[in-house]
Amino acid sequence: EVQLLESGGTLVQPGGSLRLSCAASGFTFSSFAMAWVRQAPGKGLEWVSTISGDGGGTTYYADSVKGHFTVSRDNSKNTLYLQMNSLTAEDTAVYYCAKEASFYNTPPDWFDPWGQGTLVTVSS
Amino acid sequence: DIQMTQSPSSLSASVGDRVTITCRASQSINTYLNWYQQKPGKAPKNLIYAASSLQSGVPSRFSGSGSGTDFTITINSLQPEDFATYYCQQSYSTPYTFGQGTKLEI
Repeated sequence: EVQLLESGGTLVQPGGSLRLSCAASGFTFSSFAMAWVRQAPGKGLEWVSTISGDGGGTTYYADSVKGHFTVSRDNSKNTLYLQMNSLTAEDTAVYYCAKEASFYNTPPDWFDPWGQGTLVTVSS
Repeated sequence: DIQMTQSPSSLSASVGDRVTITCRASQSINTYLNWYQQKPGKAPKNLIYAASSLQSGVPSRFSGSGSGTDFTITINSLQPEDFATYYCQQSYSTPYTFGQGTKLEI
């Protein structure tokens, strides 16, 4: 069974940094691109970032996080990361990791499955 | 960026009803359109990928159609567990974008 388990979410002050992790199991981790998707309280879904399977890796970011978030992966540990710097209140959200269907973020592509999410709250 | 617009934003229906939710893309996305279901406090779940392919384990009362810019998801014979929020998402190009969601209520 494919499982994704996020961790690292917490309360952080504006301007602070945080690293989220997503531990994967049940599939060949290095064969798939992985993504972070977030959901602000009471709002819809927002794709944040994708990293290709090789981890070398081709990376993609939403404009809203480009330059202050960095996605990475350790294929030897089956773990996905999201380093978040210069956090603002607008980054407050539940952050989900998700397995993509493709290797290089090429269509057709979809997110399945998703982890349970980890809550990041940016507040003083 | 490709904008995804869902309609309606909310929908009231009864058990046993047939409902259709529409998603429109701001440009052609071929059939690179996915649908997700999200229940309160839970992670989204993929129902349909590539416009019309049913994800493994998803009941056959769910179906998807469309290509280009206009897409639909249809739920036949609504069950109590189907009351949730539904999102469409395009995978034609990054940034991947979602519709604003359709809340399906009893």
